Amino acid sequence: GEDVEQSLFLSVREGDSSVINCTYTDSSSTYLYWYKQEPGAGLQLLTYIFSNMDMKQDQRLTVLLNKKDKHLSLRIADTQTGDSAIYFCAEATSGTYKYIFGTGTRLKVLA
Amino acid sequence: EAQVTQNPRYLITVTGKKLTVTCSQNMNHEYMSWYRQDPGLGLRQIYYSMNVEVTDKGDVPEGYKVSRKEKRNFPLILESPSPNQTSLYFCASGTAQETQYFGPGTRLLVL
Repeated sequence: GEDVEQSLFLSVREGDSSVINCTYTDSSSTYLYWYKQEPGAGLQLLTYIFSNMDMKQDQRLTVLLNKKDKHLSLRIADTQTGDSAIYFCAEATSGTYKYIFGTGTRLKVLA
Repeated sequence: EAQVTQNPRYLITVTGKKLTVTCSQNMNHEYMSWYRQDPGLGLRQIYYSMNVEVTDKGDVPEGYKVSRKEKRNFPLILESPSPNQTSLYFCASGTAQETQYFGPGTRLLVL
């Protein structure tokens, strides 16, 4: 079945760049997403990318997609303490509305 | 304010006692969904609904029921809760596959 994998933890220093990685197995995935979950809160959509794109940039966020390797990454430039959270990648196939989420990566930003 | 609300936010119950977690959205979204979040497993989709009277199973539907009689409401029903349904539950809604808006979560403990 479909599976989405992420490393569990990442620690970076304030001001550095963070790179959170994700691999997925479903080659029919059309949408790939990054969500952020702050402590005690629900998930918030950060950005998404269509499978026919290689890269998407939105202010401090850069998403890279390697469709051949089924690898998705989220780069956060100039990481701030407010970026400390759990980050989830997720995939969905067009028209199905069936979402598969990864296990989440806990990002800790050290001052 | 556009939002997804869930009630209750916290619930402690005993095995076998039927319970309902309500979810309501005020954004006129057609799509609604329920997820559970467990440590090390990320989010897993339980059920989703594309419109009134249209529901479909996600990855982990066993032990749960849903109904969609009105567009704004999507309650999650546990007819006979068991301890393995202790979890953090999230409701979400959206208009298109690009976005999902999540509620604040319901933390359930089944003794």
